[in-house]
Amino acid sequence: EAGVVQSPRYKIIEKKQPVAFWCNPISGHNTLYWYLQNLGQGPELLIRYENEEAVDDSQLPKDRFSAERLKGVDSTLKIQPAELGDSAVYLCASSFPQGEQFFGPGTRLTVL
Amino acid sequence: AQSVTQLDSQVPVFEEAPVELRCNYSSSVSVYLFWYVQYPNQGLQLLLKYLSGSTLVKGINGFEAEFNKSQTSFHLRKPSVHISDTAEYFCAVSEPGGYNKLIFGAGTRLAVHP
Repeated sequence: EAGVVQSPRYKIIEKKQPVAFWCNPISGHNTLYWYLQNLGQGPELLIRYENEEAVDDSQLPKDRFSAERLKGVDSTLKIQPAELGDSAVYLCASSFPQGEQFFGPGTRLTVL
Repeated sequence: AQSVTQLDSQVPVFEEAPVELRCNYSSSVSVYLFWYVQYPNQGLQLLLKYLSGSTLVKGINGFEAEFNKSQTSFHLRKPSVHISDTAEYFCAVSEPGGYNKLIFGAGTRLAVHP
């Protein structure tokens, strides 16, 4: 069974440019999470979806970050414009409601 | 608010030696506790979890952890490590009733040397 798929795996951009990350969760998982993992730190939740509804986005910096999950399956996380401090790994995870979270390999973003 | 403290940022150990990775948490309510492992360039994988019941929890790859409520600790142990155990280990906590809101520690880098 396929796990959580994320793309791209690596992205290098210049500051002030936009960037988008894509996540395909495990089939049947209604809950989808986006996490930010800074170097040397544990993941921090950015946003959680139940189907297509964002039920917890309290940690998402809404001035430059946005996310969508239009059909309740795939999700996209966008940053516009990117700043130097956004360099990090962006992890996607999925689960059944109230179930164990399964993580994707992440997208490593470098902002120059 | 809940928080997790992993007391060691790095733990070097020789192959076949025992290891303990320490984790303390703070919470005003009962919690669920987890240990995840992250291999280089990979996502996090669940090693084990404590929800309730027996305080000694066994997980995958020969790891186990013990929940100590009085000391608010959930230390991870393995009696004999292998080179392949070299990875980053994260302790996490969530409120009872679900896994939805995981709070992670900063991680412990386990380096196993031959």
